[in-house]
Amino acid sequence: GAVVSQHPSRVICKSGTSVKIECRSLDFQATTMFWYRQFPKQSLMLMATSNEGSKATYEQGVEKDKFLINHASLTLSTLTVTSAHPEDSSFYICSAALQNIQYFGAGTRLSVL
Amino acid sequence: TQLLEQSPQFLSIQEGENLTVYCNSSSVFSSLQWYRQEPGEGPVLLVTVVTGGEVKKLKRLTFQFGDARKDSSLHITAAQPGDTGLYLCAGILSGAGGTSYGKLTFGQGTILTVHP
Repeated sequence: GAVVSQHPSRVICKSGTSVKIECRSLDFQATTMFWYRQFPKQSLMLMATSNEGSKATYEQGVEKDKFLINHASLTLSTLTVTSAHPEDSSFYICSAALQNIQYFGAGTRLSVL
Repeated sequence: TQLLEQSPQFLSIQEGENLTVYCNSSSVFSSLQWYRQEPGEGPVLLVTVVTGGEVKKLKRLTFQFGDARKDSSLHITAAQPGDTGLYLCAGILSGAGGTSYGKLTFGQGTILTVHP
């Protein structure tokens, strides 16, 4: 149990376009999901906490207008990187919380040309 | 200031050797999780510890939670090349609530390489 699906696994886009990443909890309902960014050979950096039916809580330094989060249902949260630029290229990972344990998606490799 | 100090950050050993990874903090955690992550994939949960002094074993991996719930260790016996990966400790701070509810505090990670 506790499977989290993240899609797409890899995306390449042109500078200035927007990219949407989906995070789904497949076999449980998650009122809280988290979005992380990870640089090579480093730990995870929390970007925002996504709460079902309410606005996301962003960490300090994360632009909420740049990284739009929507958590419209108990099994789906989306992260949209708006007007992406090369510096947004990174590995983005979501997690869903079940009984205070976070289960992670497989990540999305975003490359902005 | 790193709230959860993980060490070492890099570990390169030969197959068959033992190793220990440490996570230390001055803060108390209500629970602590250990994850293993392979390149290009998400972290996979290995274990959760919640009780001070708790020891959990998973085959050749032994996890310990400190008595005061401020530190934890992961010990691997007779490491194998398949153990290679990034190991992450992450905990939920005791008393965290409101917008911090359920938020994980991560250590810096340990990149383990086991050579055949």
